[in-house]
Amino acid sequence: DAGVTQSPTHLIKTRGQQVTLRCSPKSGHDTVSWYQQALGQGPQFIFQYYEEEERQRGNFPDRFSGHQFPNYSSELNVNALWLGDSALYLCASSLHRLWHEKLFFGSGTQLSVL
Amino acid sequence: AQKVTQAQTEISVVEKEDVTLDCVYETRDTTYYLFWYKQPPSGELVFLIRRNSFDEQNEISGRYSWNFQKSTSSFNFTITASQVVDSAVYFCALSEDAGNNRKLIWGLGTSLAVNP
Repeated sequence: DAGVTQSPTHLIKTRGQQVTLRCSPKSGHDTVSWYQQALGQGPQFIFQYYEEEERQRGNFPDRFSGHQFPNYSSELNVNALWLGDSALYLCASSLHRLWHEKLFFGSGTQLSVL
Repeated sequence: AQKVTQAQTEISVVEKEDVTLDCVYETRDTTYYLFWYKQPPSGELVFLIRRNSFDEQNEISGRYSWNFQKSTSSFNFTITASQVVDSAVYFCALSEDAGNNRKLIWGLGTSLAVNP
């Protein structure tokens, strides 16, 4: 049973570029949440997708957008990258009806913006 | 507003010592959930425990134990007889039962180093 998988594991971009990160949830899970974790900080909630719609959003600008596909996988897109976007981006999956249960996390995508 | 405070930024102990990681939370809701996650150097967050606001029983799982006290809004985590493999960053997190609010609010984490 595959857990949460994220790709790529590492990415280097320059300011102003755009990036797409991908996530496949744990088998049987229908909800995907994205978190940003800056160095030395706790994860910060970006948004959550369920039934291919953004259900909840954290305090992130519109440059951060996402998508969920019919197979429940998800993408996180960040436009007009700036240095402050450098962070570990974590994907977490869960069952919508059991939202208060534990989240399963992937190993993350380490994004460096130069 | 929701808030989670982990006052200890870094802790260093010698193997076999007991260590307690502190977590203090703030919430206006009466129904909420508290979590502890472990983040080893690989980066993946590993679930350790979940506790709901109505269950104040302490829990023990092997060398790990948790003390939940609503009176002091604390949910502390103790590792008994620590081992080198316990070295990681530990996060405390809070989730409220408020309609569609399903996000976790995280503390800044406590970096634990267990030295041989």
